[in-house]
Amino acid sequence: KAGVTQTPRYLIKTRGQQVTLSCSPISGHRSVSWYQQTPGQGLQFLFEYFSETQRNKGNFPGRFSGRQFSNSRSEMNVSTLELGDSALYLCASSLDQGAYNEQFFGPGTRLTVL
Amino acid sequence: GENVEQHPSTLSVQEGDSAVIKCTYSDSASNYFPWYKQELGKRPQLIIDIRSNVGEKKDQRIAVTLNKTAKHFSLHITETQPEDSAVYFCAVGGSTGFQKLVFGTGTRLLVSP
Repeated sequence: KAGVTQTPRYLIKTRGQQVTLSCSPISGHRSVSWYQQTPGQGLQFLFEYFSETQRNKGNFPGRFSGRQFSNSRSEMNVSTLELGDSALYLCASSLDQGAYNEQFFGPGTRLTVL
Repeated sequence: GENVEQHPSTLSVQEGDSAVIKCTYSDSASNYFPWYKQELGKRPQLIIDIRSNVGEKKDQRIAVTLNKTAKHFSLHITETQPEDSAVYFCAVGGSTGFQKLVFGTGTRLLVSP
């Protein structure tokens, strides 16, 4: 099976712009989670989607949003970009069969805000 | 919410030595404890995980132990090799019932030949 893929891999934006990142989970995986990774804060949970519904949300401002499509692909959007949004954004997919399941990470999207 | 502390932040060992990384967590409802290895410029990869109904799990040179009473768990790597050099993250999940993981701050392991 193909692994989790993310596009684009690299992105450079300026303050105030918005950005959309995409994640395609492993075939058959219905849960997609998003994480922000920075040197200072480590890996922080953004939100999780399952069957097109947001099930869980981390402590990020409303500028961070996401959605999931019927084929389980997910997008996240960051509006009004700030310098502090520069980070590696990782998505992870899992089977979600009731019990806790292994999460498989994508390669990430490296976002730089100038 | 859940809080995960990880120590040490850096660990240097000689090839062949053992390495131990420790994590503590705060939410007693947590029941899933994975460990991820992240090499430079690459994605985190699961190396081992343990669930709250198990006290210890081993996979070749890697083992994880869990003490639910004390709310801490540890990663043990024996006979370390240079290719074990990476950043290791512990994580905690399960308290929300969904696929949310709370990560530790990471341990940079350097194995010298």
